[in-house]
Amino acid sequence: GENVEQHPSTLSVQEGDSAVIKCTYSDSASNYFPWYKQELGKGPQLIIDIRSNVGEKKDQRIAVTLNKTAKHFSLHITETQPEDSAVYFCAAKVTGANNLFFGTGTRLTVIP
Amino acid sequence: DAGVIQSPRHEVTEMGQEVTLRCKPISGHDYLFWYRQTMMRGLELLIYFNNNVPIDDSGMPEDRFSAKMPNASFSTLKIQPSEPRDSAVYFCASSLMAVYEQYFGPGTRLTVT
Repeated sequence: GENVEQHPSTLSVQEGDSAVIKCTYSDSASNYFPWYKQELGKGPQLIIDIRSNVGEKKDQRIAVTLNKTAKHFSLHITETQPEDSAVYFCAAKVTGANNLFFGTGTRLTVIP
Repeated sequence: DAGVIQSPRHEVTEMGQEVTLRCKPISGHDYLFWYRQTMMRGLELLIYFNNNVPIDDSGMPEDRFSAKMPNASFSTLKIQPSEPRDSAVYFCASSLMAVYEQYFGPGTRLTVT
């Protein structure tokens, strides 16, 4: 099955700086890559996603890039704010399947 | 919309007892997923339903686990008998488009002593 690796496991940045979280996947048939944000005591919340026919997608301060050749995708958060502090998960879906394989999560701390 | 609703939010039980977790998906969503989250294994899909029918239960760890969806607005995940290693946070999620744009509930934190 698909294997998704996520790095780093923890990340601390100063408020206003950028944060980058990277994920790699193993199955070249994967075609959908969402990112979820999980705040303490809450369920994961979808923040952005990208499909394999697109190389980059942006939504305000958040962007995701996909490199199909290298089988990796990244989440970029610019102008970080304290409310961005949370655990972020990447995931991948294999073509024809209806389940997501999640990375192990990155705990992001934005220092005011 | 109230979002995905799960109950109870916290459950503490003794080993050997039966545990039932409940989920109400977002109205109109025809996919429902049950996940388990632990520090060791992360987020794992247990089972998912489409139009109230179980489609893939390959993630259910053992026969002690069972899930039902009697109608479009209610699902249960049952563990009988429970064991300490079942301690985890269990999430329910629903969507209109299979795994795309899943909405997660707040989760049920289960502790089995």
